Amino acid sequence: AQSVTQPDIHITVSEGASLELRCNYSYGATPYLFWYVQSPGQGLQLLLKYFSGDTLVQGIKGFEAEFKRSQSSFNLRKPSVHWSDAAEYFCAVEPGSYQLTFGKGTKLSVIP
Amino acid sequence: NAGVMQNPRHLVRRRGQEARLRCSPMKGHSHVYWYRQLPEEGLKFMVYLQKENIIDESGMPKERFSAEFPKEGPSILRIQQVVRGDSAAYFCASSPSGENYEQYFGPGTRLTVT
Repeated sequence: AQSVTQPDIHITVSEGASLELRCNYSYGATPYLFWYVQSPGQGLQLLLKYFSGDTLVQGIKGFEAEFKRSQSSFNLRKPSVHWSDAAEYFCAVEPGSYQLTFGKGTKLSVIP
Repeated sequence: NAGVMQNPRHLVRRRGQEARLRCSPMKGHSHVYWYRQLPEEGLKFMVYLQKENIIDESGMPKERFSAEFPKEGPSILRIQQVVRGDSAAYFCASSPSGENYEQYFGPGTRLTVT
């Protein structure tokens, strides 16, 4: 069965610092890949997605992610974090069965 | 264009009562998915429905849980005889078709069982 691992439960960065959130997946083929963000008490908002093609994907709010097939990874990056980026971030895969499989999430705290 | 709507946003039920959660997909979307988020966990798939059809319910508990998406009206997730372990956030997502894997999520219903 496919699985998604987000090894960092909680990350704290200073405002203006760069950010990288890690995501590894386990699946036989290359699934569709997503990053979602969830603010406290809110639903999930799609940041970006990878279906095929260019392995560097640009998303909303200045986020980008890079798909690395050899490492089965899809890490999320942002060059300069803003205080409003504090939220929980979920990586998800969709292997063609309509089901999204989510990681357990990484909670991001931003120090002013 | 309104997003995915869910109501109620918060629901409190006593053990043994029934919970009914509603989801109205985005306009033009005919595919609905339900996910459950337990504390400190990611979202877990429950069921995938199209109008009047359950396509995949492999994530639904075998007992007490049911879902429908009628020809008219919202999708309903029903939990009978709720227990404390059912306390969670339940999210609905929709997509315009099964071929478009981008799912748009609603704000969720937070169920508390006392």
